Amino acid sequence: GDSVTQMEGPVTLSEEAFLTINCTYTATGYPSLFWYVQYPGEGLQLLLKATKADDKGSNKGFEATYRKETTSFHLEKGSVQVSDSAVYFCALTKSNFGNEKLTFGTGTRLTIIP
Amino acid sequence: GAGVSQTPSNKVTEKGKYVELRCDPISGHTALYWYRQSLGQGPEFLIYFQGTGAADDSGLPNDRFFAVRPEGSVSTLKIQRTERGDSAVYLCASSPSRRGLGETQYFGPGTRLLVL
Repeated sequence: GDSVTQMEGPVTLSEEAFLTINCTYTATGYPSLFWYVQYPGEGLQLLLKATKADDKGSNKGFEATYRKETTSFHLEKGSVQVSDSAVYFCALTKSNFGNEKLTFGTGTRLTIIP
Repeated sequence: GAGVSQTPSNKVTEKGKYVELRCDPISGHTALYWYRQSLGQGPEFLIYFQGTGAADDSGLPNDRFFAVRPEGSVSTLKIQRTERGDSAVYLCASSPSRRGLGETQYFGPGTRLLVL
């Protein structure tokens, strides 16, 4: 079945450091790929997405590029802030007559130190 | 506007009891999903509704779990004869279901269920 593997955490970085969180997937066909984020005390929210190969999703300074050849969707940010501290989930979906159930990775906890 | 709401936010019950968890989706969203998130794990799909019907219940772990959405809006997840292994955060999400690719799902805050 479909699956998502993401970099295990926790990850601790200093403010203004460069961030990469690795995500690879296994799926037949052409999934859409997502990064969801869960800030402390809040619900899951979409950070960015890409629906086809070579698409780049971006939001809040974060970017991820859909690489079909390496089945990857790594999350990057050039300069992290303390407010980026959260748990990040990579996920995929394959649309099936409107059914877009998400398959998630296990999550990566990111802590940014001032 | 209002987001997805879930009640209760926390539920403590004893092994063997019956529980109901409620989800109020964003108004006008026809697609509704339930997920379960165990500690340290990502959410796992349970069931998908399109309107009033359960279009995909392949993620329900066994027949103790059941969900309804009788009027195509509010949904209730029902768990019979609860077991300690059912302890988790139960998440609800809704989307407009315009049948486009990669449609965003909007998540509620979750119900944290603890079975003693």
